[in-house]
Amino acid sequence: QVQLQESGPGLVRPSQTLSLTCTVSGDSISSVTYYWGWIRQPAGKGLEWIGRVYVSGITNYNPSLKGRVSISIDTSKNQFSLTLTSVTAADTAVYYCVRDADYAAWFDPWGQGTLVTVSS
Amino acid sequence: QSALTQPPSASGSPGQSVTISCTGTSADIGTYGYVSWYQQHPGKAPKLIMFEVNKRPSGVPYRFSGSKSGKTASLTVSGLQVDDEASYYCSSYAGNNNVVFGGGTKLTVL
Repeated sequence: QVQLQESGPGLVRPSQTLSLTCTVSGDSISSVTYYWGWIRQPAGKGLEWIGRVYVSGITNYNPSLKGRVSISIDTSKNQFSLTLTSVTAADTAVYYCVRDADYAAWFDPWGQGTLVTVSS
Repeated sequence: QSALTQPPSASGSPGQSVTISCTGTSADIGTYGYVSWYQQHPGKAPKLIMFEVNKRPSGVPYRFSGSKSGKTASLTVSGLQVDDEASYYCSSYAGNNNVVFGGGTKLTVL
């Protein structure tokens, strides 16, 4: 059974960098079948796709976040990470890591989510 | 503003059927057959319940079905149960390695 677990600071100061890590168990992140991605959800609002990474290091990002977002992969630790720079209050959200089915664009499973608040 | 348009709410009584729509454009739903649906209970992570328009993951009841016509995808829940009360989100591949979501529909089982 594949499980994903997010970790990282729950509070980030405005203009600083948000960094989260997702640890995968029950599946190899080196799988050639899937991408690994991030999705976020502000409180009381809908879902927003952030981006994804492939085992080779290839990445795709939401155009609205391009320039601020970076996703990397560490196959030795079976982890992948999200970095979002120059954060503002608008980046406050629950961040989920997901397994991403490539071109078919479905996400399963999801991590439990971690709340990141941007505040001074 | 979400890229895909969903009604903010829907409702039905136990045993009834309800259909939730998800309208996109020719850049996403209208072109690609990669629509998926997620169920989210309060305080929980979303759960995949439909992918590639009408395919159910293992363990998802047959009461859930999906379809697509033109730029609109639909999720139908038949034989409504109390536990179906949740928010439902659609998503679609939008080309150029981009994915878009709907704003979500809160389903109330009366």
